[in-house]
Amino acid sequence: DIQMTQSPSTLSASIGDRVTITCRASQTISTWLAWYQQKPGKAPKLLIYKASTLESGVPSRFSGSGSDSGTEFTLTISNLQPDDFATFYCQQYNSSPWTFGQGTKVEI
Amino acid sequence: QVQLVESGGGVVQPGRSLRLSCAASGFSFSTYGMHWVRQAPGKGLEWVAHIWYNGKNKYYVDSVKGRFTISRDNSNNTLYLQMNSLRAEDTAVYFCARDPDSGDWYFDLWGRGTLVTVSS
Repeated sequence: DIQMTQSPSTLSASIGDRVTITCRASQTISTWLAWYQQKPGKAPKLLIYKASTLESGVPSRFSGSGSDSGTEFTLTISNLQPDDFATFYCQQYNSSPWTFGQGTKVEI
Repeated sequence: QVQLVESGGGVVQPGRSLRLSCAASGFSFSTYGMHWVRQAPGKGLEWVAHIWYNGKNKYYVDSVKGRFTISRDNSNNTLYLQMNSLRAEDTAVYFCARDPDSGDWYFDLWGRGTLVTVSS
């Protein structure tokens, strides 16, 4: 199984900050990576797929990128807004079982 | 309105069974692959099972193989998860989720989830 490791586990930030979350795969997954945002008691919401493609309706302050190795990926939130405080998960869909990172909580 | 609505969760004793349902509406259910994803209390997300749009292929995470069965009724726009021989570690919120109509396996639509608690 492909292991996904996110860092940091928790991130403290302020309104207007630029924050970056890293996700590392235990083997190459090309660009088969998605990012989700989850708020307490709610379902996850798709933000980005194929490492860098923004889902329709998601604000452009969210962006994603991946390395040439196909193992390291980042989610960047520019100009952090109050609505962005949540937990973020990466997910690989290169091969089954599809696996998630352990999550990164962005808090004030 | 495009949505998924889960039902069927509850408290069940270890070793017993439970069937979850997920009602789809607002989109052409029969053309999408569907999944179950779970989240134990205070923990992260874990993919559980996947079924092709036509029900012909099914995939499971190792920890539920032989105990859980995913199925679908395209005539009634409903996804199911039959859970047998339940264990305490199956306690979680179970979400149904849709993968996009592109052959990729990320999840572009989620239900609100239904809580399953396995306890004596």
